[in-house]
Parts: sequence; C-alpha cells; structure tokens
Amino acid sequence: AQKITQTQPGMFVQEKEAVTLDCTYDTSDPSYGLFWYKQPSSGEMIFLIYQGSYDQQNATEGRYSLNFQKARKSANLVISASQLGDSAMYFCAMSPRTGRRALTFGSGTRLQVQP
Amino acid sequence: DGGITQSPKYLFRKEGQNVTLSCEQNLNHDAMYWYRQDPGQGLRLIYYSQIVNDFQKGDIAEGYSVSREKKESFPLTVTSAQKNPTAFYLCASTPGRGSSYEQYFGPGTRLTVT
Repeated sequence: AQKITQTQPGMFVQEKEAVTLDCTYDTSDPSYGLFWYKQPSSGEMIFLIYQGSYDQQNATEGRYSLNFQKARKSANLVISASQLGDSAMYFCAMSPRTGRRALTFGSGTRLQVQP
Repeated sequence: DGGITQSPKYLFRKEGQNVTLSCEQNLNHDAMYWYRQDPGQGLRLIYYSQIVNDFQKGDIAEGYSVSREKKESFPLTVTSAQKNPTAFYLCASTPGRGSSYEQYFGPGTRLTVT
C-alpha cells in the first residue's frame, strides 16, 4: 500500500518569494514515481512535475523544482518567484511503476499568494 | 487538440436514480481511471482500466460500475447503492506503458444528489 502525507493544510507566501510545500510518502514498491499537481478553483488537475525513484537528479520544470530525499521519503515542491496565479490547491501523489499505476494522493495544501 | 472530455460539467439527480458520467479521450492512451474528490480532500481511485474490455476495482468501488468497450471511452455509472454520491468526479488517462507516467485529467463532473 502507498500513503502520501501533506502536513500543511494552508500556506501563505508573498508575491515574488519562494515557497516549499511538504510531502512525505510511504511505499513498499521498489520503483515508483512522485508527482505534483495544481488544482485551481475551476477544479482541473494541472500536472506540474514528476520525479522517478531512481532518478539521480532532482526534477525541475521552470519555476517548479522537486526536492527529493529518498532516505527521508520526502518529495517537497519548491515554487520560486511566486505569482498571484499560483494561488491554488497543490497535491502530492505517487504511483508504482508497475501494476495498476494509479495515483495515490495526499490531502493537499492550499497556497495563497499575497501581493 | 488531444485531450480528455467529461460531460456534463454539472449534474443534478434525485436520490435513488442511477446516473452515468461520460469520459472520452483522443490521446490513444491504453489506461483510464476514475477518481472521486470530496471537499477539502485529495482524489481517491474508484475504478481503472488498463486495456479494452478489462477493468479493476479501485479503493472505493462500492456503488459504482464501469465499462470499457472502446479504447476512447470509459463511462462511470453511479448507482443508487452509492451512499454518498455527491462529489467531484475526475477521469484520467495514461499511455499505460513506456516511460511516460503523467496522468492526463479531464475537467471533471460535479455531481449533486438530493
């Protein structure tokens, strides 16, 4: 079984500052993927970034980076230079790389960017 | 443009009625998934299908049924046996093999049962 824990129900950040959203996970699968999705108020799920468990380097996508610490089982999302449009719910998720490959989600973090 | 469509965006039903939610994709993806989201919570897996004519129960399948007669389509029926059907339902797909693991999501259907 897989489990994702997001301990920050809500976060505030000033525009143009960086923010880290925490995510820890637990799994017995030897190979897995870690994901971050953004969900604005419209409800759509927007894929942000992916990290494979065997990837040596931390993933980066534009202003998003994933701070992957395998020994600690953490996969924190770092958003640099926050923008007002970053205000949304953010979900950490994981899936095994074999088998059903469905996503297991955390409970999310609501990020509010203040001007 | 390729993508996933879900219709309708909002759906209202009376208690005791079955209702079917549509999910169509033109991404040529093998695997499709249905998730449920309750307010303030993450998504939970209802059903998934990795190939046509095959599907498996997810973590909260009770009160739901699906079919996968075509690669492009994966409709979800919310039956009267589902005790708390009011929720936001999201359909997703993924290639199912190869190195791409990203799941592509549809816009979702908000179901309200009264």
